[in-house]
Amino acid sequence: SQTIHQWPATLVQPVGSPLSLECTVEGTSNPNLYWYRQAAGRGLQLLFYSVGIGQISSEVPQNLSASRPQDRQFILSSKKLLLSDSGFYLCAWSAWGPGELFFGEGSRLTVL
Amino acid sequence: KQEVTQIPAALSVPEGENLVLNCSFTDSAIYNLQWFRQDPGKGLTSLLLIQSSQREQTSGRLNASLDKSSGRSTLYIAASQPGDSATYLCAVTGGTSYGKLTFGQGTILTVHP
Repeated sequence: SQTIHQWPATLVQPVGSPLSLECTVEGTSNPNLYWYRQAAGRGLQLLFYSVGIGQISSEVPQNLSASRPQDRQFILSSKKLLLSDSGFYLCAWSAWGPGELFFGEGSRLTVL
Repeated sequence: KQEVTQIPAALSVPEGENLVLNCSFTDSAIYNLQWFRQDPGKGLTSLLLIQSSQREQTSGRLNASLDKSSGRSTLYIAASQPGDSATYLCAVTGGTSYGKLTFGQGTILTVHP
């Protein structure tokens, strides 16, 4: 069966510091991968998606970037965090295009 | 631009009741609709996926229906239990979007013993 892992689960970072959140999927190959952010009172927003290694699409302009160095690994990064980057970050995968999405447990980021 | 609305925003019921959560969307050109459950501080768990050509899906005590032409979906929970307490989210996918779900704000369900 397929599983998805995210880490770290919780992160508290000062403004201006770098960020790296990692997500890996097991039990499938060539998944579509996604990063969503859930901010308080604002619902879930798609940040990035990837249909293959090195292929990243950004949905919204922002202070964050994403990379996919391996087939089942997706990384969310920032060089300098802003207060507005605080939120709950969720990685997800699907077996194909607009198929069923499966989410990880999330990473809660607090920027102080 | 697709917009998804969920009603009610919160619902509190006694254990054993059957209940209905509502979801509406403004653009009927969807590829599928998913219902998720989210426990506090946790990720999303997929409950049911309904393709645009389908009318309903069932899983255990859950039944989701889809009326694409009217832009509505309902999630029916039979014989509710305290363990059903969570936030329920509805999300739709457009035909040309790779996993780009448009989410509703969710319904917070509390089932008390």
